[in-house]
Amino acid sequence: GAGVSQTPSNKVTEKGKYVELRCDPISGHTALYWYRQSLGQGPEFLIYFQGTGAADDSGLPNDRFFAVRPEGSVSTLKIQRTERGDSAVYLCASSLIGGRGDEQFFGPGTRLTVL
Amino acid sequence: GQSLEQPSEVTAVEGAIVQINCTYQTSGFYGLSWYQQHDGGAPTFLSYNALDGLEETGRFSSFLSRSDSYGYLLLQELQMKDSASYFCAVITGGGNKLTFGTGTQLKVEL
Repeated sequence: GAGVSQTPSNKVTEKGKYVELRCDPISGHTALYWYRQSLGQGPEFLIYFQGTGAADDSGLPNDRFFAVRPEGSVSTLKIQRTERGDSAVYLCASSLIGGRGDEQFFGPGTRLTVL
Repeated sequence: GQSLEQPSEVTAVEGAIVQINCTYQTSGFYGLSWYQQHDGGAPTFLSYNALDGLEETGRFSSFLSRSDSYGYLLLQELQMKDSASYFCAVITGGGNKLTFGTGTQLKVEL
């Protein structure tokens, strides 16, 4: 595809449930990033992959959050035992190499609502 | 940790010039990026400064002073479509991880 795609675009779940959010990066981009954005705030870094490996997961808030990128392209962000505070827009981005300052191309996001 | 400060809102008229400032406090600073985000849209890259000075890209320019921990985004010949939120973001540590500010909402009026 031409850009980064994310599915689903909207996800409504109940407190305590498990959710998976998917990101398809731009073909050929080796670096992939997950951020989340609350209303009126800037995106907050969660995790960054270089190829298949998580190069920096320092932004994951706790062990309920986990992300994988098994083949170095598509990534899935997994949230266990969701809480109302997890409600946010989850953004995925990719960049060609992942060098400092490389342009990050963002997807449209998944809006997660935890009831 | 890192902290970035930007004005929350700026209003300007079409055709004018506007400057959005960003001050930061970080450890291990490598560079400053700017992103634009329209309501309901995805952030899009505008510029990156690793060294002191001015970078110009069309109507947009970005400036960095590392000694002052300060940067700004300059938008010239403002158009209505420039109404959006603008975020500065610092790059610290390894890789290309971005730490964003809270953003500046720019309103362009006729």
